[in-house]
Order: sequence, then structure tokens, then C-alpha cells
Amino acid sequence: DVVMTQSPLSLPVTLGQPASISCRSSQSLVHRNGNTYLIWFQQKPGQSPRRLIYKVSTRDSGVPDRFSGSGSGTDFTLKISSVEAEDVGVYYCMQSTHWPPYTFGQGTKLEIK
Amino acid sequence: EVQLVESGGGLAQPGGSLRLSCAASGFSFSTYNMHWVRQGPGKGLVWVSRLSSDGKSATYADAVKGRFAISRDNAKNTLYLQMNNLGADDTAVYYCVRDDGSPGADWGQGTLVTVSS
Repeated sequence: DVVMTQSPLSLPVTLGQPASISCRSSQSLVHRNGNTYLIWFQQKPGQSPRRLIYKVSTRDSGVPDRFSGSGSGTDFTLKISSVEAEDVGVYYCMQSTHWPPYTFGQGTKLEIK
Repeated sequence: EVQLVESGGGLAQPGGSLRLSCAASGFSFSTYNMHWVRQGPGKGLVWVSRLSSDGKSATYADAVKGRFAISRDNAKNTLYLQMNNLGADDTAVYYCVRDDGSPGADWGQGTLVTVSS
């Protein structure tokens, strides 16, 4: 199984400052078709998760452009250019290249300092 | 607007069974692969099962293989999860999830399953 490791697990950020979350996989997420299936989700308190980014860097419809995804191979990053109060929650990465099983990272809790 | 509405959760005895349902609307249900994902109390997200759009190909996490069965009725726009031989570790909120080529395009509100005597 592919193990997904996120860091940090807790991320206190000052409003208006940037934030960055790392996600590393135990093996390359490049599919034989050339695509890389790395996804980022946001889960706000008391809500269902919401997909933010898929295939490493493609933002879902309605996702603010302050969210961006990057990376390749085994190392990936979610960046928020300027954190807003509504960004508080837990962020998960997930791989869908090598399945079953699909695997998630442990989650990174973003809070406002 | 895509809607996924789960139901069927509740309290089950250890060793008991429950059947979850997910009513889908707002999209062409029969053309999308679907998943169940669960989240234990205070825990992270865990993938449970995936079913192909035509209902012919099902895959499971090792933790539920042989105990859970995913199915769908495309005429009724409904996804199911039959859960048997439940244990305390199955206590979680269960989410129905749409896959548009990547899992997670849409999520339901979740249904809580509690396994306890």
C-alpha cells in the first residue's frame, strides 16, 4: 500500500500570511498513463470534506486561487498564498494512482494564531 | 446541483449488520464510479470501497473485505453498502463520494454508524 505522510500535522498561521503543507508518498504517484493522481481535500469543522485540487495542481470549480498545488513523483505541496479565517480546518492529501487501496495522509490541522 | 444523501446509519450490536444507502441526484449517476469513505470519531479519512459505474467491478479496503458489500441500483440512482459482522472499529461517519476521474468530486453529509453493546 502507498503510505501518505503529511507535515506538519498542526499549522498555526497568522491571518494574511502564507501557509504550506507537505505530502510525501512512499512510492512515485506517476501513473503508467503519465498522469499523477494526487488530490487535496479541505474539511472545515463540522462539515464534509471538499475537494480543492486534483491531479496535483488542477483547482476544482469555485476554489479560490489563493490555493495552489504543486509537486511531482513523491513530493507534493499545498500552498495558501494568504490565509483567511474561513480556511481553518483539516487538510488531507490522497493518492488515487495505485489502488486499491486509495490512501489518505493523516491530515494537517490549520488554525489561526 | 449534485446531491448525495446518505441514510441507514445508527446503533448496531457487535457482530450485527447495517445497510447504508446513498441517494444521488443532480448528475447522471449511472456514468460515475462511486466510493464509500469513513471517518472514525476524531480521526482521519479512510477509504472503504469503490464501485464502477456499471456495478460490475467492486474493490474494498482490507479491513472490510469479506464483511462489507458495495452495490448500486442505477435505475434508482442509489448506492448501497451492506455491512456485516460489525465491530467497534467500524464506528465512524460513512460518506458517499462521487468520482469524476478523481475521487472526491462530491461528498454526502455522512451517516453515523455506532457499533456498541
